[in-house]
Amino acid sequence: GAGVSQSPRYKVAKRGQDVALRCDPISGHVSLFWYQQALGQGPEFLTYFQNEAQLDKSGLPSDRFFAERPEGSVSTLKIQRTQQEDSAVYLCASSFGGGKVQPQHFGDGTRLSIL
Amino acid sequence: AQSVTQPDIHITVSEGASLELRCNYSYGATPYLFWYVQSPGQGLQLLLKYFSGDTLVQGIKGFEAEFKRSQSSFNLRKPSVHWSDAAEYFCAVGARDDKIIFGKGTRLHILP
Repeated sequence: GAGVSQSPRYKVAKRGQDVALRCDPISGHVSLFWYQQALGQGPEFLTYFQNEAQLDKSGLPSDRFFAERPEGSVSTLKIQRTQQEDSAVYLCASSFGGGKVQPQHFGDGTRLSIL
Repeated sequence: AQSVTQPDIHITVSEGASLELRCNYSYGATPYLFWYVQSPGQGLQLLLKYFSGDTLVQGIKGFEAEFKRSQSSFNLRKPSVHWSDAAEYFCAVGARDDKIIFGKGTRLHILP
């Protein structure tokens, strides 16, 4: 289908390792969002891109978290020196956006487990 | 800043019974409002949205929601639930920019 695709679906890493999570948005969607969803909680905003520009990264919990979208399409969320509290589902969403609120379309998420 | 409150963490209804999930929002202007559903191990699926106009909004899977400005509410309803409706439901509010703020969710359980 032509939905938002995230990979990997599951990632297990040892504490201290670096991880990279990939998001492939719906073609033509200008805006891309990353969320962190802890068990039993709603999605918490991490960061937001409009094309290749990262317009808001206020939700990133620490400087160990870094996101990029270099060509305005695929995005990568990188977490350096992972900690146990980073264990969560990371959701990516995209929308036509462009500065206006639009319904966001979500991928199935990456479940990250830090041992 | 905008925020969303879903007062009920869990709701249990019998199959065939009616459903209402509560949502209250905080936002100074006319909000953009959404309801999403999340099944286990999956992402969020949009059920319906309110941007303007008719305050009663129809969505997919037989769901509807009513925007009540005076009560700052956007409650989700379904006249008769099916076992397949068991899932987590999230209310969300959007502001002038692209960002959407989600509530903490209500988990719906269906009794056979």
